[in-house]
Amino acid sequence: GESVGLHLPTLSVQEGDNSIINCAYSNSASDYFIWYKQESGKGPQFIIDIRSNMDKRQGQRVTVLLNKTVKHLSLQIAATQPGDSAVYFCAENPHQGGKLIFGQGTELSVKP
Amino acid sequence: DARVTQTPRHKVTEMGQEVTMRCQPILGHNTVFWYRQTMMQGLELLAYFRNRAPLDDSGMPKDRFSAEMPDATLATLKIQPSEPRDSAVYFCASGLPSGVAETQYFGPGTRLLVL
Repeated sequence: GESVGLHLPTLSVQEGDNSIINCAYSNSASDYFIWYKQESGKGPQFIIDIRSNMDKRQGQRVTVLLNKTVKHLSLQIAATQPGDSAVYFCAENPHQGGKLIFGQGTELSVKP
Repeated sequence: DARVTQTPRHKVTEMGQEVTMRCQPILGHNTVFWYRQTMMQGLELLAYFRNRAPLDDSGMPKDRFSAEMPDATLATLKIQPSEPRDSAVYFCASGLPSGVAETQYFGPGTRLLVL
């Protein structure tokens, strides 16, 4: 039979626009969250993290927002560039140290 | 700059052959993770070690997969015998726990194709 792969959510943005990638996490006990970027043919690359005692954290061109009430995490990328095209994964840590639970990923496509 | 290294980067083998993948974690990191990534399943945790001791290998098929850390600078993942369904990208990641935070840093992966 025909194999079916994961159908990743896709976000397509124009170069220079801001991007917002969303993630719903599963465990209300999770106390640490990470966003990873995975470019084609490469391993996931750490972008930014946030602990559960915060609701916002900023990095260079990226901001992570955490809403624990609705178990929602978002990654905002300012002035999106073609080099930002990748699959973005959120990950949660439901235990102190150890396993991360990864989301399925969102594919970001930046149009020049 | 410090990074996780993995060898080989690509491996093509025939069904039934043994496959060994190696990982060198970032110096000083005491936790090592093995993941498998496929289009069907996404990113799956196979096993992880802390201070060279296996903490969890529940994600790993026990009959054919084995993971070890002979020393603090080397982690290995073996498949024997390999099967076509093992074709995937295998990632190693390392980390250093700091309170609740443990960022995992990934290697470039080993792309395995079993014919």
